[in-house]
Amino acid sequence: EIVLTQSPGTLSLSPGERATLSCRASQSISTSYLAWFQQKPGQAPRLLIHGASSRATGIPDRFSGSGSGTDFTLTISRLEPDDFAVYYCQQYGISPRTFGQGTKVEIK
Amino acid sequence: QVHLEQSGTEVKKPGSSVKVSCKASGDTFSTYGLTWVRQAPGQGPQWMGRIIPLLNITNYAQTFQGRVTITADRSTSTVFMELNSLTSDDTAVYYCARERLGYRSGWSPPLYWGQGTLVTVSS
Repeated sequence: EIVLTQSPGTLSLSPGERATLSCRASQSISTSYLAWFQQKPGQAPRLLIHGASSRATGIPDRFSGSGSGTDFTLTISRLEPDDFAVYYCQQYGISPRTFGQGTKVEIK
Repeated sequence: QVHLEQSGTEVKKPGSSVKVSCKASGDTFSTYGLTWVRQAPGQGPQWMGRIIPLLNITNYAQTFQGRVTITADRSTSTVFMELNSLTSDDTAVYYCARERLGYRSGWSPPLYWGQGTLVTVSS
């Protein structure tokens, strides 16, 4: 199965700062079947990005995704208070559709 | 608007089975992949398997092969996930989720999620 490794484990930033989250795959993900999710305590994950770089409906443009092959990045251009949460990447091109272990973005 | 309503909290003994339901409303049910994901306390999500109700095609993560069964009842737009031989390691919140695109449009990630069902396995 494809293992997704996210880094860093925790990111401590202030509102207004830029967040850069990494997701590295153990093998190439074809056709960029890579998604990013945001999750807050007690809630289900929320889809932010699909196809590595396409924002889901209703997602603000401060969220952007990039990358291909084995290296992918989620960027939050200017953090707002509502953005402090845990972020997961998922590959959905090969079964099992594995998730990364998450990056927590916390308020500094 | 798609809504997924899951069954309620379960408390099970080790060695027993649990069956969680997920009723879909608001959009075409049969032609989308319905996925089950679980999340143990403090852990990331873990993909368990999926079903395309129209085709009755399932696939499962190897980790759960032989222990999990995902079924669908098209007449009630409900999918079910049954997990057998429970241990304390199966204590988690179990989510159903509908994929973003219909199965004819290729692979897509989960977009609509149920509220989650807490399953606690304890003697």
